[in-house]
Amino acid sequence: EPEVTQTPSHQVTQMGQEVILRCVPISNHLYFYWYRQILGQKVEFLVSFYNNEISEKSEIFDDQFSVERPDGSNFTLKIRSTKLEDSAMYFCASSLGSGQGTVNEKLFFGSGTQLSVL
Amino acid sequence: DAKTTQPPSMDCAEGRAANLPCNHSTISGNEYVYWYRQIHSQGPQYIIHGLKNNETNEMASLIITEDRKSSTLILPHATLRDTAVYYCIVRAYTTSGTYKYIFGTGTRLKVLA
Repeated sequence: EPEVTQTPSHQVTQMGQEVILRCVPISNHLYFYWYRQILGQKVEFLVSFYNNEISEKSEIFDDQFSVERPDGSNFTLKIRSTKLEDSAMYFCASSLGSGQGTVNEKLFFGSGTQLSVL
Repeated sequence: DAKTTQPPSMDCAEGRAANLPCNHSTISGNEYVYWYRQIHSQGPQYIIHGLKNNETNEMASLIITEDRKSSTLILPHATLRDTAVYYCIVRAYTTSGTYKYIFGTGTRLKVLA
């Protein structure tokens, strides 16, 4: 079965540094998402991306965050100046998506990048 | 956004059916109910989804009440490998023409030998 691939699996960084988390969504998917999960807490929506622009973003997704699809296969999440509270597991997800009436639409998740900010 | 409410934890004996309830009383008419599970800290895994009819696949069954305000995920013969956190999710259609999947706090299911 096709997979969403995330790299790296673990990332350690110093507070204030920039990090880029990388994802390769499933090849024919059109909608891309980032979620995060702080240890012991629920999975939280960050942002959705479609047609080369952000579709929706949560309150968490402030000016320190940005997303990009630099080519036809990668989808990245950048955190410009990391804070201690950014430490979390970050999940990328993708879906096929074809607008309204997509009865069988579902999200496929990657295995995550564990970000530790020291 | 429709919110979901689930019990924080449940136990189930191996081989028995696990029935996981979810309340989504603010769901709108065209919003689907999805169930995902997360084993340890792995990426959430899709289980099943539905709109108003009951659904069954190789993993589970989904029972949605007639008023659509609640649903139950049924794992017919739970195994130790079904120990996980189960999330009930309402898929909302947004003003930007995309979908948003909002996770609740989930139910931690422990299958006991």
